[in-house]
Amino acid sequence: KQEVTQIPAALSVPEGENLVLNCSFTDSAIYNLQWFRQDPGKGLTSLLLIQSSQREQTSGRLNASLDKSSGRSTLYIAASQPGDSATYLCAAANFGNEKLTFGTGTRLTIIP
Amino acid sequence: NAGVTQTPKFRILKIGQSMTLQCTQDMNHNYMYWYRQDPGMGLKLIYYSVGAGITDKGEVPNGYNVSRSTTEDFPLRLELAAPSQTSVYFCASSFRGREQYFGPGTRLTVT
Repeated sequence: KQEVTQIPAALSVPEGENLVLNCSFTDSAIYNLQWFRQDPGKGLTSLLLIQSSQREQTSGRLNASLDKSSGRSTLYIAASQPGDSATYLCAAANFGNEKLTFGTGTRLTIIP
Repeated sequence: NAGVTQTPKFRILKIGQSMTLQCTQDMNHNYMYWYRQDPGMGLKLIYYSVGAGITDKGEVPNGYNVSRSTTEDFPLRLELAAPSQTSVYFCASSFRGREQYFGPGTRLTVT
């Protein structure tokens, strides 16, 4: 059974810093891995999706990497801004049915 | 394009009551999903569907039922509501192998 872990549960950094959020998964036979953002009381917004054959994806200041052999993915945020404050969730999709298994998220606070 | 819409936004149920959470998507996605999110926890999959007429259980299906008669709609039925079903419910949809798009959620309290 796939298990997804995100550590730390919460992170505070000063504005302007670059930062890395971590995601680990137990079963390397994934179809893809997605990173989401969730603002308080809101739904999830998809940030990046990495297919199992890819090593990384980039969108603006965000870069996500995938290392299936080590069961890890990272989300790199460059030049952080207060508007980046949110909870970031990663989720791994299984082969065959693409059901997502979610981590519990990292709550990010950017300090102005 | 409205994306994924969910109704209602909030609901309070008494123990033993039933209700249906509505989910509609206008992106012609074939895959649809229902998740629940409890405080401090990740999302857990309740049911999913890969197309009209096809549904399957997820990780936590007990106490829920679904149907998928059209591509657009994927309602979630709660029978005999229990306090353990107090949660935020999210519907999502996708094309096969692509990003999942989420609705804004329904916050349900069972007392």
